[in-house]
Amino acid sequence: DQQVKQNSPSLSVQEGRISILNCDYTNSMFDYFLWYKKYPAEGPTFLISISSIKDKNEDGRFTVFLNKSAKHLSLHIVPSQPGDSAVYFCAASSLQGGSEKLVFGKGTKLTVNP
Amino acid sequence: KAGVTQTPRYLIKTRGQQVTLSCSPISGHRSVSWYQQTPGQGLQFLFEYFSETQRNKGNFPGRFSGRQFSNSRSEMNVSTLELGDSALYLCASSEAGEYQPQHFGDGTRLSIL
Repeated sequence: DQQVKQNSPSLSVQEGRISILNCDYTNSMFDYFLWYKKYPAEGPTFLISISSIKDKNEDGRFTVFLNKSAKHLSLHIVPSQPGDSAVYFCAASSLQGGSEKLVFGKGTKLTVNP
Repeated sequence: KAGVTQTPRYLIKTRGQQVTLSCSPISGHRSVSWYQQTPGQGLQFLFEYFSETQRNKGNFPGRFSGRQFSNSRSEMNVSTLELGDSALYLCASSEAGEYQPQHFGDGTRLSIL
């Protein structure tokens, strides 16, 4: 039973355009959401997070949007750069279950073409 | 500030053996979590330690165990290794408190022959 789903295994965008990565979750107890970026042979790198009391969080080129009613979140990268090419993971946790117990999606491979 | 350090980076074992993996968290981080990454199952939570106590555990058999020392360094042990234990094992640390992001090391690649 996959509680966090990233339905697009891959995404390709042109440099300078917007990249939108999507994530859906099923567990309504989740109240903390994170995005990680992963390059081959490296561990995941934390990008940005959002708690369920907010619907938007912004950090430079990265913005995360949370739609609790739809149980959906998205990561926007503007403008996209070739160095953003990596696998992006969405993760979620709940205070009740332990906020350190992250449940991950399977990832979306982003390719930014020059 | 140094990141999360995991040793060794690569390890080859045979079925039935046991293995110990090590993790040094970011200085000041007291929570250490372990994850297993495989192509089929993705990233899965193993367990989390805080102040030398296991606070949370995932759905893995008892062959998987861990511990944390007073300096927050952590070790993970897998006994009676099986072929299916071949995976990337990732350690992550975070500051104390709710809703703190976890920061990952580069992992230990374990191969079982």
